[in-house]
Amino acid sequence: DIQMTQSPSTLSAFLGDRVTITCRASRSVSSSLAWYQLKPGRPPKLLIYKASNLYPGVPARFSGSGSGTEFTLTISSLQPDDFATYYCQQFNTYSLTFGGGTKVEIK
Amino acid sequence: EMQLVASGGGLVQPGESLRLSCAASGLTFSDFWMTWVRQTPGKGLEWVADIDRDGNAKYLDSVKGRFTISRDNGKSSMYLQMTSLTAEDTAIYYCARGGFTSSWWWVYWGQGTLVTVSS
Repeated sequence: DIQMTQSPSTLSAFLGDRVTITCRASRSVSSSLAWYQLKPGRPPKLLIYKASNLYPGVPARFSGSGSGTEFTLTISSLQPDDFATYYCQQFNTYSLTFGGGTKVEIK
Repeated sequence: EMQLVASGGGLVQPGESLRLSCAASGLTFSDFWMTWVRQTPGKGLEWVADIDRDGNAKYLDSVKGRFTISRDNGKSSMYLQMTSLTAEDTAIYYCARGGFTSSWWWVYWGQGTLVTVSS
């Protein structure tokens, strides 16, 4: 299976900060990567698909980049609604696998 | 409006079985692949199983032989039969709608149903 490793596991930031989360794959997944936001009591919310495509309705402050084995999710200006846990997920190869998550906390 | 409602979770003892259901509405269910994803305290999100429109399935290695995914297009429902449950299966189980030809990322999710395996 392809292992997905996210860093950092926890991130503390101020409102308005630019935040970057990294996701590394144990082998190339091309651009077959999605990003989700997870909040307590709610199902995951799709933010980005195919590495860099913003899902309709997701605020433009979210962006994704990368290909192969290294990917990033960037929040350009952190807003109160953005405090959550973020997961990357590869869909290049079965078993589909997620990263371990990055919790974004208020500083 | 499309809706997925997961149900069937509960508290069971190790070694026991449980059947989860996912009822879909607001879509032509037979057109779509469907997926189960779980959220565990230790591992975060984990893909569990997929089923295509014809009923062909794929599974996470750790559940192969213990879990069976199925669907009833006439009832617009998907199921996950879980047997030989262990504490590592404790999780919130979400159903999710895939696409017409694959289930690679998921926009539409059910609300989740909690499975607790404990003696």
